[in-house]
This record gives sequence, structure tokens and C-alpha cells, in this order.
Amino acid sequence: RKEVEQDPGPFNVPEGATVAFNCTYSNSASQSFFWYRQDCRKEPKLLMSVYSSGNEDGRFTAQLNRASQYISLLIRDSKLSDSATYLCVVNGPSNFGNEKLTFGTGTRLTIIP
Amino acid sequence: DADVTQTPRNRITKTGKRIMLECSQTKGHDRMYWYRQDPGLGLRLIYYSFDVKDINKGEISDGYSVSRQAQAKFSLSLESAIPNQTALYFCATSPGGLEQPQHFGDGTRLSIL
Repeated sequence: RKEVEQDPGPFNVPEGATVAFNCTYSNSASQSFFWYRQDCRKEPKLLMSVYSSGNEDGRFTAQLNRASQYISLLIRDSKLSDSATYLCVVNGPSNFGNEKLTFGTGTRLTIIP
Repeated sequence: DADVTQTPRNRITKTGKRIMLECSQTKGHDRMYWYRQDPGLGLRLIYYSFDVKDINKGEISDGYSVSRQAQAKFSLSLESAIPNQTALYFCATSPGGLEQPQHFGDGTRLSIL
């Protein structure tokens, strides 16, 4: 089982729609969680951290369910500029020490005009 | 100016050549990382350094070496490049702490012929 699993998509969504991605992680000792956005052939950029109580940043809402070991990202009123690959990232204990980021392979989103 | 700068941005070279990828940062972060990204595999950790005197292997360090010349500089070397090292390479930095995300450079696209 992969440490961090995401549906690769692609998700093709009309502009203005709401879209949600889920991500599951295998290590119950994982301690912090992030969503990154990556445009084609560019570097990953932090979209938002994910907090236990859930958090919102404008049109983006992130949720964490520790019991079920999944993280979600909701995008409301999607824009053309939201087209990208969204990476689920988990930080926590590993063979490489107490801090190691583990990346999902990403979910590809295309917003259609 | 970018906070995390990688050079070169693109490189094409032949099997057996020695290659060095360089990373410098102006963020003042102690921690630096090298990753490679391959289609369908996500980002994988090659080496990381928590300070100038600390170097650690990641999950795919074979065939690579690193040097942390200063707090701001972390270079990755391929001593004898082989075609399966063709990938997109990213340097990242972090101030440390489980709640802190990593910040990525623009990436180096490396092709080994």
C-alpha cells in the first residue's frame, strides 16, 4: 500500500463548479498535512496546511479525519486558473527521522470554460 | 528574485558524465532537501541536510552524493550519470518543525542520453 494515495484523475470540471479531492495516508503517526499545487513542469507550491479542526482559505477548504486517515480538499466556484495538479503531502515519522514529507502522486484538475 | 534558486534549469548530458546540480536559498532556513520527480511516482527524497554538518540519505540515494557548502548552499552530484536518472529534480528548504511546509526551487530538468 502506498504511504499516501490520491485519485490521479483527471478531473474535468466546468468553471464555477465545486470539486473535491480525497487523499488517504497509511501511517497513523503522521503529524502534519498539507495540500500543494503544481502547475505543469513547475515546482510544487504550498496551497494550504490542513489542521485538525478543518480550515478554509477563500474558495478552498481542507479537512482532516485522523480516525479514517484521510484528508480532503474542496474547491468552490472553480476558476480556469485552478487547473493544476494537487499534491497531498503528509509529514511525520519515518525511517528517515521524525520529519519527512511524503508526497502523493497528485490529482490532476482541469477547469473547462 | 526567487528565494530558492536552482542551476542549471535544464541539462542534457551523456551516460557516464559527472553532473552537479546546485541550489542556493535566501530564506535563512537550516534544512535543505533534494528530490526527484518522475511521472506517476510523485516526489522522492534523495538526500537531506538539517544543518551544515548534517547530511542524511533519503529513500533513493544510490548513485547520488551531496555537499552542504554553507547554510545557503546544497549541491547534488551524479558521479556517473545513467539514463534512469533522467528526471525533474527539485531542491527544497524548511525552517524545521513538523508544522512547517517545505519551499521548492524552480526545478532542474535533467536528461541523460
